[in-house]
Amino acid sequence: AQKVTQAQTEISVVEKEDVTLDCVYETRDTTYYLFWYKQPPSGELVFLIRRNSFDEQNEISGRYSWNFQKSTSSFNFTITASQVVDSAVYFCALSEISGAGSYQLTFGKGTKLSVIP
Amino acid sequence: DAGVIQSPRHEVTEMGQEVTLRCKPISGHDYLFWYRQTMMRGLELLIYFNNNVPIDDSGMPEDRFSAKMPNASFSTLKIQPSEPRDSAVYFCASAQGEHRYSNQPQHFGDGTRLSIL
Repeated sequence: AQKVTQAQTEISVVEKEDVTLDCVYETRDTTYYLFWYKQPPSGELVFLIRRNSFDEQNEISGRYSWNFQKSTSSFNFTITASQVVDSAVYFCALSEISGAGSYQLTFGKGTKLSVIP
Repeated sequence: DAGVIQSPRHEVTEMGQEVTLRCKPISGHDYLFWYRQTMMRGLELLIYFNNNVPIDDSGMPEDRFSAKMPNASFSTLKIQPSEPRDSAVYFCASAQGEHRYSNQPQHFGDGTRLSIL
């Protein structure tokens, strides 16, 4: 069965600090997708990134970067020079590609990030 | 482009009443998902549709829950009769299926916050 673990329940940082959110996953499939979503205090879920299991290249988007390591089953998310607007709950999610072409997302419990001005 | 639209945003009702949640997916998306979010259980997939057909409803908690998708632009999630333990935020999401195993990102609505008294 697939599982996503976000061990950090809550993190607080001071504005402009860098912060890394950890995500460890378990799956028996060799082909899968990993995602990060952001849930700001307003409650909506915002898609941030999708990465498939064959692409271990790190990705950078502005202040956001993602480090995917299959060897450790991790897909960590780093925010550089954090800002107050980054305060949110961040979810890591996994989707296996079953014989039925499954789209089922398994979410971690989320990490609540608070950026203090 | 309009995102996923859910209504109502908030619903407060008494135990035993019927509750209907509504969702309009992004135009052109052929996958639709219903999720429930609670503090205890996090984000759980309840059911998902492909081309208006239910594919997996194994996450639906019990027979009191039902979901329909009469056409490509509308879906409902119904709870009858409602119970206090159904109180949660219910999200609808949609995704575009380019091909069977593409696992395109799911785009979420703003959610319906349901309170059963």
